[in-house]
Amino acid sequence: EADIYQTPRYLVIGTGKKITLECSQTMGHDKMYWYQQDPGMELHLIHYSYGVNSTEKGDLSSESTVSRIRTEHFPLTLESARPSHTSQYLCASRMGGAGANVLTFGAGSRLTVL
Amino acid sequence: QQQVKQSPQSLIVQKGGISIINCAYENTAFDYFPWYQQFPGKGPALLIAIRPDVSEKKEGRFTISFNKSAKQFSLHIMDSQPGDSATYFCAATGSGGSNYKLTFGKGTLLTVNP
Repeated sequence: EADIYQTPRYLVIGTGKKITLECSQTMGHDKMYWYQQDPGMELHLIHYSYGVNSTEKGDLSSESTVSRIRTEHFPLTLESARPSHTSQYLCASRMGGAGANVLTFGAGSRLTVL
Repeated sequence: QQQVKQSPQSLIVQKGGISIINCAYENTAFDYFPWYQQFPGKGPALLIAIRPDVSEKKEGRFTISFNKSAKQFSLHIMDSQPGDSATYFCAATGSGGSNYKLTFGKGTLLTVNP
C-alpha cells in the first residue's frame, strides 16, 4: 500500500488554466521530489526539497513551481498550462540521512493540456 | 549528457526464459545502484539494489551483476513470468551526505509472453 498520495490521478484541462498537483506522504520523510515522465518512459527530475521551506530546481528545466510549507505536503503548480506540459508527473520521497537511499514513489498524476 | 545508459529499450521474452537488461554509468562517484520496476498506472518501486563492494546480489529470481572496472551493471530475471511484464529502470547515485539525487536510465519495457 502506497504511503505517498498524488491527486488528481488524471486531469484534462484547456490551455492557460492554472493547475496544482497535490502530493502528500505519511512517512515523515524529509526529502521530496517531483519527476516528469515522458511518454517514452524516461524520468526527469524537475524539483526537489530537503525539508520545510527548502525547494530546488532539478535537472530538467520546468515552468512549474513547488512549495514545502509542511513536511508531508509538496504541491506542484503550473500558473498557465500549455500543451507542452502534457506529461505524467511523479512525486517521490525518502528519509533523510546518507544511508537512506530508497525512494518511494506515488502513483502519478497524468496531465493532458488541450 | 546522459550519465546512465540503459539497453535495450524494449525486450520480449518467452515465459521461463532469462531477461537481461544492461546499464553503464560514467560518474565514478556513484556508489549505489538500484533497479526500479514500474507497472502501468503505477509509480516505480524499488526492486533490488547493489553497492560496488560486491559483484553480485540475488533476491529470488532477480540478480544484479556489477562490474566496477567496466562501470557496468545488469539485471537478470530468471524464469521470467508474464507478471514480470513492466518497465525497468536502472539508476545510480552517490550517497555521500544528504546531496542525493538519483540518475535514471531511460527504461526498458519488458514483455514476457505466456
